[in-house]
Amino acid sequence: KAGVTQTPRYLIKTRGQQVTLSCSPISGHRSVSWYQQTPGQGLQFLFEYFSETQRNKGNFPGRFSGRQFSNSRSEMNVSTLELGDSALYLCASSLGATAFNTEAFFGQGTRLTVV
Amino acid sequence: SQQGEEDPQALSIQEGENATMNCSYKTSINNLQWYRQNSGRGLVHLILIRSNEREKHSGRLRVTLDTSKKSSSLLITASRAADTASYFCATAGANNLFFGTGTRLTVIP
Repeated sequence: KAGVTQTPRYLIKTRGQQVTLSCSPISGHRSVSWYQQTPGQGLQFLFEYFSETQRNKGNFPGRFSGRQFSNSRSEMNVSTLELGDSALYLCASSLGATAFNTEAFFGQGTRLTVV
Repeated sequence: SQQGEEDPQALSIQEGENATMNCSYKTSINNLQWYRQNSGRGLVHLILIRSNEREKHSGRLRVTLDTSKKSSSLLITASRAADTASYFCATAGANNLFFGTGTRLTVIP
């Protein structure tokens, strides 16, 4: 069974631009969650989707948004990029309804650099 | 910050020794999870312990949870070089998930 796939793996964007990251969950998993990892702030939860509905949301500004499609694939979007958005963005999928109380399987991440 | 704090920040041991790392948190939780991250395999879920549980085992891993002290510990027994990684705790509340700052474990062959 294929694992969680994130695309692209690396991305360089300019301040002010927007970016869309993609995540394909493990087949059969309907919950997808997103995380940001930086050296300064560590690992932080962004948001989580189950059956195309946002279930939980972390403490991030509205520039960070996401969605989930009927096939459980998910995208996250960051608008008006700032230098501080440079980070490793991780996606995870879970068999249960939420990563909060079931095992989450992580992708390799998308390394975003904002210049 | 509502993040958990992990202690120690870094730990270096010889192969075969036990490693213990601790996690303290600030708010009430539904459960606490431990994760491992290394460059080869990315972030991997290790174990989940619910707020009404006090101890849980999985292979060479032993996790304890003391909700009165808002703390948890992860014990890795008979460590191996492959255990070299960063270890994070994550606390789940009603609608948010907070990660600790991590412990960097180095197991020397």
